[in-house]
Amino acid sequence: DSGVTQTPKHLITATGQRVTLRCSPRSGDLSVYWYQQSLDQGLQFLIQYYNGEERAKGNILERFSAQQFPDLHSELNLSSLELGDSALYFCASSVAPQEGEKLFFGSGTQLSVL
Amino acid sequence: EDQVTQSPEALRLQEGESSSLNCSYTVSGLRGLFWYRQDPGKGPEFLFTLYSAGEEKEKERLKATLTKKESFLHITAPKPEDSATYLCAVQHTGGFKTIFGAGTRLFVKA
Repeated sequence: DSGVTQTPKHLITATGQRVTLRCSPRSGDLSVYWYQQSLDQGLQFLIQYYNGEERAKGNILERFSAQQFPDLHSELNLSSLELGDSALYFCASSVAPQEGEKLFFGSGTQLSVL
Repeated sequence: EDQVTQSPEALRLQEGESSSLNCSYTVSGLRGLFWYRQDPGKGPEFLFTLYSAGEEKEKERLKATLTKKESFLHITAPKPEDSATYLCAVQHTGGFKTIFGAGTRLFVKA
């Protein structure tokens, strides 16, 4: 158990809908990362937060947004969902975005858009 | 742009048959190179961090090495429980994001 909690584990929804994925980092970790993993794309970096502030952005679509709250949990909001958004979404945390900081991953949320 | 390429895409070994996985990277100043293991339906699990060329790290049957352009994950006398996807990732100096390669799927048959 990595200590990173993601909910829900599975999510099935329809095109055009909006969903929210939730992540609770390990106790003491200030940095949260979101990744998308699909069969043809591998693990793609979406966005990173540190202590409530956005620190780095990857290939995150404009339809997607995220935030980190004062209690350090994070939410990833996906709107106007398309079939191609179906993927496994991972949250990871680390103490801080320091040199060589390893990431601890949650078990993921499997999103299926029908 | 940072890039990580792993080869082969898949590797099938017999139990006890040693081999190596390759990770080639292009990064504007390496802050750290990471190896992770991912089992089906689970999140990646950290294995190693390498910081500079010439560095080596070992854990059980796994040994990771680093040069200026690539890293190798050597697997000595693998067992079926070593079957998993092995991911390589890099961080560059001045940046915060960790970029992953597509991974190598390892299958070890008893």
